[in-house]
Amino acid sequence: NAGVTQTPKFQVLKTGQSMTLQCAQDMNHEYMSWYRQDPGMGLRLIHYSVGAGITDQGEVPNGYNVSRSTTEDFPLRLLSAAPSQTSVYFCASSYWTGATEAFFGQGTRLTVV
Amino acid sequence: KNEVEQSPQNLTAQEGEFITINCSYSVGISALHWLQQHPGGGIVSLFMLSSGKKKHGRLIATINIQEKHSSLHITASHPRDSAVYICAVGITAEKLVFGKGTKLTVNP
Repeated sequence: NAGVTQTPKFQVLKTGQSMTLQCAQDMNHEYMSWYRQDPGMGLRLIHYSVGAGITDQGEVPNGYNVSRSTTEDFPLRLLSAAPSQTSVYFCASSYWTGATEAFFGQGTRLTVV
Repeated sequence: KNEVEQSPQNLTAQEGEFITINCSYSVGISALHWLQQHPGGGIVSLFMLSSGKKKHGRLIATINIQEKHSSLHITASHPRDSAVYICAVGITAEKLVFGKGTKLTVNP
């Protein structure tokens, strides 16, 4: 099993550009989520999904879009990148959050200039 | 006030020392997670627990639900244990709240 595969590992964007961070898992997990990690702060939830076709906002959703067309994939779209979105992004999956083990991707270090 | 507080923020130890990292939370939880993050690397789940104690190799995690407190212990620490250790609590079925992490450096 590959676990959670997240791409790309590094990305530099210009302000205003758009891009999609890819996340795929092969464990048939219902729950998937995106977090951002900033210096001096804990990971913060951007968006999450409890199954195909179901998504919801987390703590810091502005400027990001998600969709969940399949159980395996949960891409995160930056609509118009801003320097404030410079961060490290993690995708995670689990059978059900809170009470089951969470599996994380390797992270994407995004810089917006 | 943060819902999850970790201490210490930074910890330096000599190889072989016994290490304790603490996590306190202020809300009701369904489970508590201990995670490990190596420099430049991803995040790995070490433990998920909702009561009592769990052990895996040299790592031990305990939780006291009444006191809303958990500890992560590392016995016979080694330089390869150097990493950031993160406590996270499951508040609802959909929400994990993370502590800011404890950076551990183990010197040879």
